[in-house]
Amino acid sequence: QSVLTQPPSASAAPGQRVTISCSGSSSNIGKNYVSWYQQLPGKAPKLLIYDSNKRPSGIPDRFSASKSGTSATLAITGLQTGDEADYYCGTWDGNLRAVVFGGGTKLSVL
Amino acid sequence: QVQLQESGPGLLKPSETLSLTCTVSSGSISSFYWSWVRQSPGKALEWIGYVCNSGSTNYTNYNPSLSSRVTLSIDTSKNQFSLNLSSVTAADTAVYFCSEGVPPTIWGPGTLVTVSS
Repeated sequence: QSVLTQPPSASAAPGQRVTISCSGSSSNIGKNYVSWYQQLPGKAPKLLIYDSNKRPSGIPDRFSASKSGTSATLAITGLQTGDEADYYCGTWDGNLRAVVFGGGTKLSVL
Repeated sequence: QVQLQESGPGLLKPSETLSLTCTVSSGSISSFYWSWVRQSPGKALEWIGYVCNSGSTNYTNYNPSLSSRVTLSIDTSKNQFSLNLSSVTAADTAVYFCSEGVPPTIWGPGTLVTVSS
């Protein structure tokens, strides 16, 4: 059971927009920045978003994110088949004194 | 851009100690936070802990669920940091990733460790 809650799956058609939610609590998302990761099959996770809404160099602006209260949301626009992957949210939990991740969301581009 | 590479045995027997090393390239290991994360087959990411070197002091913090069996360390002379996980069982079978940052930013490619008798 993951500390952060994500839907197990999401899907949308190529070119469309999809959002993935990440729900936490006051001890994690409520007080700390959220990161988002993309994990392609058989690969290491790749940082998509840090500090809740910032993109590292090289990440296209099709990927965006926001945070409100104890929840965060990743949005992907202009979906491509190459976006099919598992997406994870992560943050620091002050009560556990540990990094916590969501259970991951498998994105299908139909 | 920092690059990370994990190394260590891929097969262990139950009760043995898992020892992995992460080599940091194209950057200094000092004054940064370095994490280990694992992923059991078909499962989500699980953070193991972080280590940070500042001067003569190493700072560590471990996932409470693993803290009794985990030790992280840094060797600044080799630009490497290491993970030791004692008394492994089949439940410790996973891909182990080393990474920079808390939460992680840059990740190594990962290494599969299998625990089997």
